[in-house]
Amino acid sequence: GQQVMQIPQYQHVQEGEDFTTYCNSSTTLSNIQWYKQRPGGHPVFLIQLVKSGEVKKQKRLTFQFGEAKKNSSLHITATQTTDVGTYFCAGAQGGSEKLVFGKGTKLTVNP
Amino acid sequence: DTEVTQTPKHLVMGMTNKKSLKCEQHMGHRAMYWYKQKAKKPPELMFVYSYEKLSINESVPSRFSPECPNSSLLNLHLHALQPEDSALYLCASSQVLRPDYGYTFGSGTRLTVV
Repeated sequence: GQQVMQIPQYQHVQEGEDFTTYCNSSTTLSNIQWYKQRPGGHPVFLIQLVKSGEVKKQKRLTFQFGEAKKNSSLHITATQTTDVGTYFCAGAQGGSEKLVFGKGTKLTVNP
Repeated sequence: DTEVTQTPKHLVMGMTNKKSLKCEQHMGHRAMYWYKQKAKKPPELMFVYSYEKLSINESVPSRFSPECPNSSLLNLHLHALQPEDSALYLCASSQVLRPDYGYTFGSGTRLTVV
C-alpha cells in the first residue's frame, strides 16, 4: 500500500535558524498537503501542491513538490518560537479519497 | 462558518459503556472523515463518508460504528471499547470528494477508556 515517509522525526533549532522537513512517497502522488499541529491541538491545513516541480511560498515557509511527484519538502527560514509544533505531510494517489499522513517532524525552537 | 465542531472535547468511558462522538460542519463540505490519533503518532484514517454514504472503512473493528445523518453531521458510536482505543478522535471535512483542497479538522475528542 501507499506509504509516506517523513524525516527527520525531531528537529531542535535555535530561534533564527532555518528548518527543513522532507517527505517521500513510495508511489506517485496526485497531490501533497502539509499540516501543522501545535502541542495539544489539531492538524491545521497549510498548503496543497499539485503540479510537478511546484514551489509555493507563505511568508517564511517554502514548499516544494518534486518533479516525479514522489517527494516534497517544507523549509522555514529564520524560525520563530511560534513555529513550534509537528509538521505533517499527507499524500493522495490519483482518484483516491484516502489521504496518507507521514509520521511528522516535531519542531522545537529554543528562544 | 469555517469550523468543524466536535463534541464532547473529553470523554471517559468504561469498557461496557455506549457513547457517541459528534461532529458538525456548515461549510457545505460533502466529504467527512474520522481519524484516530495516538500520542506522538500521525492521524490514522478510520472512515470516509462521501455525499452521506460510507465510502471507506479502513478495517475498523465493529465496536466503532459511524453514522452520517445528513451532509452537516457525522457521528461515531462507541460500544465495548478497549483501553487501547484511548486516543484523540478527529473529525475532518473537505470541499470535494477528492482531498484536493485540504481538510478542515475539528479540535477532536480526547477519549479515555477505563
